[in-house]
Amino acid sequence: DQQVKQNSPSLSVQEGRISILNCDYTNSMFDYFLWYKKYPAEGPTFLISISSIKDKNEDGRFTVFLNKSAKHLSLHIVPSQPGDSAVYFCAASSGADGLTFGKGTHLIIQP
Amino acid sequence: NAGVTQTPKFQVLKTGQSMTLQCAQDMNHEYMSWYRQDPGMGLRLIHYSVGAGITDQGEVPNGYNVSRSTTEDFPLRLLSAAPSQTSVYFCASSYADRRLSGYTFGSGTRLTVV
Repeated sequence: DQQVKQNSPSLSVQEGRISILNCDYTNSMFDYFLWYKKYPAEGPTFLISISSIKDKNEDGRFTVFLNKSAKHLSLHIVPSQPGDSAVYFCAASSGADGLTFGKGTHLIIQP
Repeated sequence: NAGVTQTPKFQVLKTGQSMTLQCAQDMNHEYMSWYRQDPGMGLRLIHYSVGAGITDQGEVPNGYNVSRSTTEDFPLRLLSAAPSQTSVYFCASSYADRRLSGYTFGSGTRLTVV
């Protein structure tokens, strides 16, 4: 039973436009959420996080939105740049143990 | 450079062999963990540690052992390698309040069991 779902395996966006990556979760006990970016042959890199008591968090070009009633979060990247091409993982946590990851979305930024 | 260092980067094992994947961090992080990533899958938690001398199991602990004798090191031991353990292994660390800082990941160890 997959508790964190990223239903789009890949997403193609034109450079300069907005990229929107989506994530759904089923566990109501999750109380904070994170997004990671991963390049091939490298470890994931932390991008941005949000607590369940908030509905939005911004950091530069990256904004994460949380809709608790729908158990849905999204990552917005504006404007999209070629270096943003990578696999993006949504992750969630409910306490002292580790993170539960989605399967990832491969974002491709086209020139 | 400060961060999480994993060794080796690549390893091929024969079924039944044992080995230890090394993980070291120099950021004085209290929390360390091991994940595995399989093709088309997200990362899955194997074991974690909230401090020296304390370890606990994650989602997929079978076939793996860990220990945490120092704050800096968190080795992962494969007791008797099986083809199902072919995967990319990532070590991660963070401060105790990992909600704020996220986790720092190493660059991974690609393990093939034949």
